[in-house]
Amino acid sequence: NAGVTQTPKFRILKIGQSMTLQCTQDMNHNYMYWYRQDPGMGLKLIYYSVGAGITDKGEVPNGYNVSRSTTEDFPLRLELAAPSQTSVYFCASSYITSGLETQYFGPGTRLLVL
Amino acid sequence: AQSVTQLDSHVSVSEGTPVLLRCNYSSSYSPSLFWYVQHPNKGLQLLLKYTSAATLVKGINGFEAEFKKSETSFHLTKPSAHMSDAAEYFCVVSGGGSQGNLIFGKGTKLSVKP
Repeated sequence: NAGVTQTPKFRILKIGQSMTLQCTQDMNHNYMYWYRQDPGMGLKLIYYSVGAGITDKGEVPNGYNVSRSTTEDFPLRLELAAPSQTSVYFCASSYITSGLETQYFGPGTRLLVL
Repeated sequence: AQSVTQLDSHVSVSEGTPVLLRCNYSSSYSPSLFWYVQHPNKGLQLLLKYTSAATLVKGINGFEAEFKKSETSFHLTKPSAHMSDAAEYFCVVSGGGSQGNLIFGKGTKLSVKP
């Protein structure tokens, strides 16, 4: 298993540009998450999904959109990039039936908006 | 609301000496608690988790943590530091609800001197 993979690893965007951060997991996990990590801070939840076709907002969803058309993929869309979106983005997945299960994280995408 | 406070932003130890990374939590119910480690430019890896079983939890790479309800603490320890332990460590509490949301502390950077 490759686990959770993310592309690209690093990207520079100009203000107002758009891009999609890709996330794929091959563990057949039902839950998937997007977090952002700002310098000196812990991770904050942007969006999450409990299964294909179902998504919901986390703590900091403004400026982002997601979709979940398959179990494996959970892309994160930035429509109008702003400097405040400069961050490291982590995708995670877990298999939850009842109770809390371990989240598995991808290696991250480092985004710089200039 | 659930929260975690990591009491030290940076801890420096010498190789072979004990490691103590401190974490206090706040939760309105019996929490699930985790420690994750992040090596430079890498994703997060689960070290250990507490889910209301034994209060002393053993994790990977010789780390362990003790859940103390009376002190609302979940400190991470290791008897003897190794150079490869140098990384950022995050204390994490379950956010509650059905989505498996995690609430991250701001992190403690561990430096290990030879």
